[in-house]
Amino acid sequence: DADVTQTPRNRITKTGKRIMLECSQTKGHDRMYWYRQDPGLGLRLIYYSFDVKDINKGEISDGYSVSRQAQAKFSLSLESAIPNQTALYFCATSDFPNYNEQFFGPGTRLTVL
Amino acid sequence: LAKTTQPISMDSYEGQEVNITCSHNNIATNDYITWYQQFPSQGPRFIIQGYKTKVTNEVASLFIPADRKSSTLSLPRVSLSDTAVYYCLVGPESGNTPLVFGKGTRLSVIA
Repeated sequence: DADVTQTPRNRITKTGKRIMLECSQTKGHDRMYWYRQDPGLGLRLIYYSFDVKDINKGEISDGYSVSRQAQAKFSLSLESAIPNQTALYFCATSDFPNYNEQFFGPGTRLTVL
Repeated sequence: LAKTTQPISMDSYEGQEVNITCSHNNIATNDYITWYQQFPSQGPRFIIQGYKTKVTNEVASLFIPADRKSSTLSLPRVSLSDTAVYYCLVGPESGNTPLVFGKGTRLSVIA
């Protein structure tokens, strides 16, 4: 969905490097999410945000941090990247009244060497 | 959130109707049933949501029995382009706990 954009789309980095993935949305949605997907597996929630002042950990938050700089922007950081963080990362948004309808970005493919 | 169980994979020939069933025995009164579709290397896409009975849109139909402990996503006359992973999720529309995506059902459509 072009309303949710992610940068970069692809990134190769080395173990120990700090990396930031960015997500922007023009939908005006309150809630934003970060997921990771590993081959053959479903999506696992890393962090989610209900609004600028409300950040919550998901099921696999260790090794990650996030920042909700504005309603439209939600960034995911890997403070010290490790190879098992190699994955496809998706950002998503949703809004009232149906938070179950999430709109996903195109994904960022991250490789940690 | 209610746990969901769905088949890991299914195969179908083009032109057939495909039914994917999801079990959610512990569904709560205010939970809705939501299905997503994910093509390779793309983010999931919301396709349909329902609370009870039947819901139909241009993509699929969703059948929910009276006890709501299961649901069936029906894709009419599938084509090769329907090859994707389909996720069944259960949760309230306005809840504060995000939906949980399991591994989904990998549908392969064969010519």
